[in-house]
Amino acid sequence: TQLLEQSPQFLSIQEGENLTVYCNSSSVFSSLQWYRQEPGEGPVLLVTVVTGGEVKKLKRLTFQFGDARKDSSLHITAAQPGDTGLYLCAGRFGNEKLTFGTGTRLTIIP
Amino acid sequence: DTGVSQNPRHKITKRGQNVTFRCDPISEHNRLYWYRQTLGQGPEFLTYFQNEAQLEKSRLLSDRFSAERPKGSFSTLEIQRTEQGDSAMYLCASSFRQGFADTQYFGPGTRLTVL
Repeated sequence: TQLLEQSPQFLSIQEGENLTVYCNSSSVFSSLQWYRQEPGEGPVLLVTVVTGGEVKKLKRLTFQFGDARKDSSLHITAAQPGDTGLYLCAGRFGNEKLTFGTGTRLTIIP
Repeated sequence: DTGVSQNPRHKITKRGQNVTFRCDPISEHNRLYWYRQTLGQGPEFLTYFQNEAQLEKSRLLSDRFSAERPKGSFSTLEIQRTEQGDSAMYLCASSFRQGFADTQYFGPGTRLTVL
């Protein structure tokens, strides 16, 4: 059974600060996706990473895929209240389904 | 709006009743997935279809659960004899398998409450 661990589980920071959340597994991902989910809504895709060492940027969000494809990080620069939400990483381990982490619940305090 | 849609958005039912949810995927997507999400957890895989064929089912999908995708377009998920433990958000996702890429796009979910 592949497990995805996300850390931290909860993060509350002031507007304007930077933060990083992590996603780790003991197994190699064939690909990994990051989603953000608002209460009562489905996850919204932020990015897909496939290649080890890959870095993708989406405005103030930077996503990194580990060289060994077992870990990933999401870095947010100058956090804004609109960044508040549940951030989920989801990996594929060579099969078709996504295995999700438990998520990082981020709160940005104005 | 050409995203994934799910109906109903909310369903409240009494224990023992049957419920059915519908998912309409993005039109050109050949794959459709069902997930379940309980409070404070990430979504858990239930089953997926490629076109009309159901290719994988999780052991979470007990005999009371059945999913169909009869024409390879929309899908239904039925829960028979609902139990309080079935209360959760049921999420549908769709994707278009092309080579190695298979990015899944999620619908807004159906929140089920079993009283």
